[in-house]
Amino acid sequence: GAVVSQHPSWVICKSGTSVKIECRSLDFQATTMFWYRQFPKQSLMLMATSNEGSKATYEQGVEKDKFLINHASLTLSTLTVTSAHPEDSSFYICSAPGTGGTDTQYFGPGTRLTVL
Amino acid sequence: DAKTTQPPSMDCAEGRAANLPCNHSTISGNEYVYWYRQIHSQGPQYIIHGLKNNETNEMASLIITEDRKSSTLILPHATLRDTAVYYCIVRTIYKLSFGAGTTVTVRA
Repeated sequence: GAVVSQHPSWVICKSGTSVKIECRSLDFQATTMFWYRQFPKQSLMLMATSNEGSKATYEQGVEKDKFLINHASLTLSTLTVTSAHPEDSSFYICSAPGTGGTDTQYFGPGTRLTVL
Repeated sequence: DAKTTQPPSMDCAEGRAANLPCNHSTISGNEYVYWYRQIHSQGPQYIIHGLKNNETNEMASLIITEDRKSSTLILPHATLRDTAVYYCIVRTIYKLSFGAGTTVTVRA
């Protein structure tokens, strides 16, 4: 199956700083990627759809100025949490649809963000 | 996308088959049934998907009722490593909407 990686796997930062999370499709190209957030003991919530070469589409209630998404190439999407606060502490996961005529989504391993 | 209903939790004995039910009574004709699982602190892992016919792969089997209003994921020989939250999702487009899933605990 297709492989999606994320970097870093975990990050701790101070309140007010910005954090960038990378999502890469390792063996396939992805014009679209998705970013999810998962709080402890909760399910995944879709935050935004990242589109290569164009603006991201954000889900209702997600602040686009706080969660900056850039999809500069066919294998890389980045999520930047700007001016992070403790309530932004969460597990951030990206996914990308596989190729070969399948709609199957492949997920990255996730990034654990802790804001102090 | 159609809403799904799954039991919140279930236990399974190691080496036995695990049958995970999912209700999707409002599914429409072009919506697929997808199953993913999430092991603690990892990203979700794709298991299997189907439209009408039953499907089988190296991980599991998917049984979809004839009216497509429910399905069952079968893990044929559960191992301790199958302990995870299992999500049943129906969808037509790329977006996946995750419900609460079923927490499956495989016991030795």
